[in-house]
This record gives sequence, C-alpha cells and structure tokens, in this order.
Amino acid sequence: QQPVQSPQAVILREGEDAVINCSSSKALYSVHWYRQKHGEAPVFLMILLKGGEQKGHEKISASFNEKKQQSSLYLTASQLSYSGTYFCGTPTGGNTPLVFGKGTRLSVIA
Amino acid sequence: EAQVTQNPRYLITVTGKKLTVTCSQNMNHEYMSWYRQDPGLGLRQIYYSMNVEVTDKGDVPEGYKVSRKEKRNFPLILESPSPNQTSLYFCASSPQSSNQPQHFGDGTRLSIL
Repeated sequence: QQPVQSPQAVILREGEDAVINCSSSKALYSVHWYRQKHGEAPVFLMILLKGGEQKGHEKISASFNEKKQQSSLYLTASQLSYSGTYFCGTPTGGNTPLVFGKGTRLSVIA
Repeated sequence: EAQVTQNPRYLITVTGKKLTVTCSQNMNHEYMSWYRQDPGLGLRQIYYSMNVEVTDKGDVPEGYKVSRKEKRNFPLILESPSPNQTSLYFCASSPQSSNQPQHFGDGTRLSIL
C-alpha cells in the first residue's frame, strides 16, 4: 500500500538539480510532499490534487500524473538547506489519512 | 500558536510496563494519526481517527491502542511494551479533508529494554 519512492538516496553539490519520484500501484487521489530534517518532524511542502497539476515552493516544484499514478518532486539549483529526507504521502481512499513512502534521503554538499 | 504537542519527548522503559504517549492539538482538526518511524521503513501508520470516538487501524496496529474521547487529544497506549516497539513516534493532525496539510508533533523517542 505504501507508495514507492526513487531514488532511495542522492548526493548533490550545491547548485545541482534533482528529481524524486513517487509512484503507486493504486489510483492516486492526491499527493503530498514533506521534508524531514534529521531529528525533526516532517514539514509540509505541497499538495497536488489533480492530474496534470504542478506546483512550486521556492525552487522546489512538483508534478502529478494521475494516469501514470505517479508524482515527481523537482529541486533546482539545490542549496545546503535542502538536505533532508523527502516523503511523498497519499490517502488510501477518497478521504482517508495518508500513507507515506519510505523516503528519499537528499544530501547537498558544498 | 497552532501546534501538535506530544509528551514525553524521550522515554526509556522496560518490557511489559504499560505506557501512554499523549498527543494534543489546538487547531480543532478532525483527523489525527499516529506513525512510527524506523530506519529504512519510512513513516508507517499505526492508528488514525477521523473524529471523536471514531478510530481505525493503520498498517502496523499490533501492540498499540488508542482512544479519541475529545477532539483535541489522541493518546497512544502500549499496554505491554516489547523491544520491537522501540522507535520514533509521531502524532499528526489535519483538518477534515485529507487534501489538506498534516501537522506533525515533534516526535517521541521510545526505547523499550
């Protein structure tokens, strides 16, 4: 039931770009993205509600392909502050709480 | 300030000694959930509640109990803790719809010896 995230981990140099994917074998009603810094609580980034929707948050954006049952998170010109673990989450039904993927650990180095 | 408050933040205890982790939110949210986080496994849902007196099992409910007697509180109860319940626990709340952001507490690190 968990959505599948890829890659599991990625290391970037400052200024490089990255893409994190989230896919599901079931229909996706919506996709949430969160970032968790080490030892802290996950923090909300954005929600995508409709197929084809794209959103942005600073230099972080995301897309949602409902037909392919997947979402992608794009990090452009990465900064040191982007380091952390990124989780996607989806409700299992039309209006149920979220099930999260296992996370993608992103490390940005100088 | 809008927040989800968990207590305690850290607890070391022994097998079999009943414990309760409290969770309280001040945002009048309908949904509340408990997750456990283990290395390599991400956030796994233990129980959730969609309203007062309405609770349901998540993916890993064995060994846990919850109750939702008031809207703001959603305690997690371990009746007879075992070492495999050593983990980092998060409580989260969100408004009525799952299409709105979840707010997480700061987490509770439990060690069961």
